[in-house]
Amino acid sequence: NAGVTQTPKFRILKIGQSMTLQCAQDMNHNYMYWYRQDPGMGLKLIYYSVGAGITDKGEVPNGYNVSRSTTEDFPLRLELAAPSQTSVYFCASSGRQLSTDTQYFGPGTRLTVL
Amino acid sequence: AQSVTQLGSHVSVSEGALVLLRCNYSSSVPPYLFWYVQYPNQGLQLLLKYTSAATLVKGINGFEAEFKKSETSFHLTKPSAHMSDAAEYFCAVSERGSYIPTFGRGTSLIVHP
Repeated sequence: NAGVTQTPKFRILKIGQSMTLQCAQDMNHNYMYWYRQDPGMGLKLIYYSVGAGITDKGEVPNGYNVSRSTTEDFPLRLELAAPSQTSVYFCASSGRQLSTDTQYFGPGTRLTVL
Repeated sequence: AQSVTQLGSHVSVSEGALVLLRCNYSSSVPPYLFWYVQYPNQGLQLLLKYTSAATLVKGINGFEAEFKKSETSFHLTKPSAHMSDAAEYFCAVSERGSYIPTFGRGTSLIVHP
């Protein structure tokens, strides 16, 4: 199993550009998540999904969009990139119950907006 | 809503010394509690979790944590630090039955030779 994969690893965007961060998992997990990590701030939840076709906002959704057309894939779209979106983005997946399942994280995408 | 507070953004220890990373939670009922480790330029990895069985939880790499309801704490310990333990550690909490953990701000563990 590859686990959770993310592409690209690094990206530099200009203000106003758009991009899609890709995330895929091969563990047949229903739950998938997008977090952003800023220094000293821990992880903030952007969006999450409980299954194909179902997504919901997390703590910091503004400026982002997601879709979940398949169980495996959960792309994150940035429209009109802003410097405030400079961050490290992590995708994660898990089974239904955190008591019995484990949340697995991808290696991250480091995004800089200039 | 539940939350966690990690005391100390940086903890520095000598190799072979005790590691103690502090985590206090806020929740109206006993929650699920987690410790994750993040090595440089990597994603987070689960170290251990408390979900209602034994209050002393053993994890990977010799780490353990004890759930203390009276103190609303879930501190992470390791008897003897290794250079390879240098990393960022995150405490997280979720409500029972929830699938969305809330993360603390993290504590960077520095290990000196």
